[in-house]
Amino acid sequence: ETGVTQSPTHLIKTRGQQVTLRCSSQSGHNTVSWYQQALGQGPQFIFQYYREEENGRGNFPPRFSGLQFPNYSSELNVNALELDDSALYLCASSSEILNTEAFFGQGTRLTVV
Amino acid sequence: GDSVTQMEGPVTLSEEAFLTINCTYTATGYPSLFWYVQYPGEGLQLLLKATKADDKGSNKGFEATYRKETTSFHLEKGSVQVSDSAVYFCALSPNTGNQFYFGTGTSLTVIP
Repeated sequence: ETGVTQSPTHLIKTRGQQVTLRCSSQSGHNTVSWYQQALGQGPQFIFQYYREEENGRGNFPPRFSGLQFPNYSSELNVNALELDDSALYLCASSSEILNTEAFFGQGTRLTVV
Repeated sequence: GDSVTQMEGPVTLSEEAFLTINCTYTATGYPSLFWYVQYPGEGLQLLLKATKADDKGSNKGFEATYRKETTSFHLEKGSVQVSDSAVYFCALSPNTGNQFYFGTGTSLTVIP
């Protein structure tokens, strides 16, 4: 049990719709990162938030956006869903910004039909 | 850019066999290196880590040594158990931030 919780656990959306995924970071952690894990692949970095500011972004289009709140919880928003967005979305929290262990949630399984 | 190349699977071993999963990396600077494990239907759990060259990470009988000269971080275990069946991911975190670059994962199945 890592203390990082994600909701919902499973979600089915239709192509073109919008989705919001949520993550509560572990107590005391101020950094949250989001990853997309396609079936049979390793997680791919989407972006990171540190103290409510975006701090780094991977190779994902602008329709992937996020927020971090004052309590350090976070949201991932995806607009104009495409079939290829179907994946496990993982949230990871850590206590500092550099070179430390990240604690992962169990993920949200998004299916786009 | 930074990247991780991981031995492809799946790997099937008999209980008590020796395990090696190869991992090499490309990075500028001095990244930290990690092995994460993912059990079916679950998120990632940290298995072990090493933050500088020649460090050895170890946990639950698994070991990996940070080899800068060969840019490798191979995972080993002397005697695997059925409960070790999972997908193993090698990852690096650069010294410029705490994002992770993961390998594609190696699926391990241990049979009794």
